[in-house]
Amino acid sequence: SQQGEEDPQALSIQEGENATMNCSYKTSINNLQWYRQNSGRGLVHLILIRSNEREKHSGRLRVTLDTSKKSSSLLITASRAADTASYFCATDGGKTTDSWGKLQFGAGTQVVVTP
Amino acid sequence: DGGITQSPKYLFRKEGQNVTLSCEQNLNHDAMYWYRQDPGQGLRLIYYSQIVNDFQKGDIAEGYSVSREKKESFPLTVTSAQKNPTAFYLCASSRQARNEKLFFGSGTQLSVL
Repeated sequence: SQQGEEDPQALSIQEGENATMNCSYKTSINNLQWYRQNSGRGLVHLILIRSNEREKHSGRLRVTLDTSKKSSSLLITASRAADTASYFCATDGGKTTDSWGKLQFGAGTQVVVTP
Repeated sequence: DGGITQSPKYLFRKEGQNVTLSCEQNLNHDAMYWYRQDPGQGLRLIYYSQIVNDFQKGDIAEGYSVSREKKESFPLTVTSAQKNPTAFYLCASSRQARNEKLFFGSGTQLSVL
């Protein structure tokens, strides 16, 4: 089953605008990760935020985490055409050892940035 | 360059045939994973291995088999028992199997003839 669910499914913006996408999940987590996938390629890790963190930045990326609402958001500022990709959140299963190695991915948000 | 190499990039399977997808990493990572991705969907875990000579079933292991005889290699066999094998297959690795960030290969697209 997919624990993380991204919203919206698709997003179309112009260069220079900001893009925001959200991820909701169902069970407790140790950390939440965001990945990017260009069409027909593998995923690339963007950022990892731990359950005791509320916000994290990496370049033009800003990730927030609200464990009380079981949700996270990814903000891409000043978007570029090269940001066109699908973005996925991935969650683990919390503190049980059974969850090790079992990242659950959502269906992703497809972002198109037009020049 | 360090990374994960998947081959082939495209693979075609005939009815009743087993096919093997290759995954090699030179990152010295302990953990390796196989995911399946269907169009417009997220990734589903097929198998994962935390250490050499050990592997665990993921969420959709039926019709697939793996081996982990060497740290750097984690091949996936799609058997004839997998009735709907058409998908994009992604191999990944991590330093340890503690939900650290994953490093992905570039994928293999498997289609049925």
